Amino acid sequence: GAGVSQTPSNKVTEKGKYVELRCDPISGHTALYWYRQSLGQGPEFLIYFQGTGAADDSGLPNDRFFAVRPEGSVSTLKIQRTERGDSAVYLCASSPTGQGLPPTEAFFGQGTRLTVV
Amino acid sequence: AQSVTQLGSHVSVSEGALVLLRCNYSSSVPPYLFWYVQYPNQGLQLLLKYTTGATLVKGINGFEAEFKKSETSFHLTKPSAHMSDAAEYFCAVSFTSGGGADGLTFGKGTHLIIQP
Repeated sequence: GAGVSQTPSNKVTEKGKYVELRCDPISGHTALYWYRQSLGQGPEFLIYFQGTGAADDSGLPNDRFFAVRPEGSVSTLKIQRTERGDSAVYLCASSPTGQGLPPTEAFFGQGTRLTVV
Repeated sequence: AQSVTQLGSHVSVSEGALVLLRCNYSSSVPPYLFWYVQYPNQGLQLLLKYTTGATLVKGINGFEAEFKKSETSFHLTKPSAHMSDAAEYFCAVSFTSGGGADGLTFGKGTHLIIQP
């Protein structure tokens, strides 16, 4: 597809379970970002990939959260031992920005709504 | 750390009236500034951005914003509101440090309501 694709669109899980959220960026985009948006708040930065490596993971709230991008394209956000406070919309964005260049537009997916019950 | 403040969580204007959404940021270095719009059940869409050059930037759907360094502001305006402008608007900043793109820091958003 032409845009950023996130699956699933909705995920309900029980407290303590493990979840994986997938992001398929726009083809050729080297930069990929994960954000979390809680109800009534703006998106909160989690992690940024440049290619396969995590260039900045300072936004990950704790070690239950982990993300990978093994081939520099699709990324997976992994949450272990989910808690009710993890409930939010998880947004993925991609950008053609390369290292050393000013940021250009980041294209956002529609997000995955995670509900932990 | 950088921060973004959007004044007013809700702004209501009449159709045809001026739209003004306020955004202030804190920074010790020149930032890159963005406005995003989020329509119900849709993803974030870029309205406009300031990186370098002209401080008055024009975006889609008739919106524009002016970067004022002395006021650390990047307010969003539209001369005449349309019903279709009803949405959530987010101001965001990106700070480059040592090369490469950083993530965006978003404000909490302003919900724009258009009265008929």
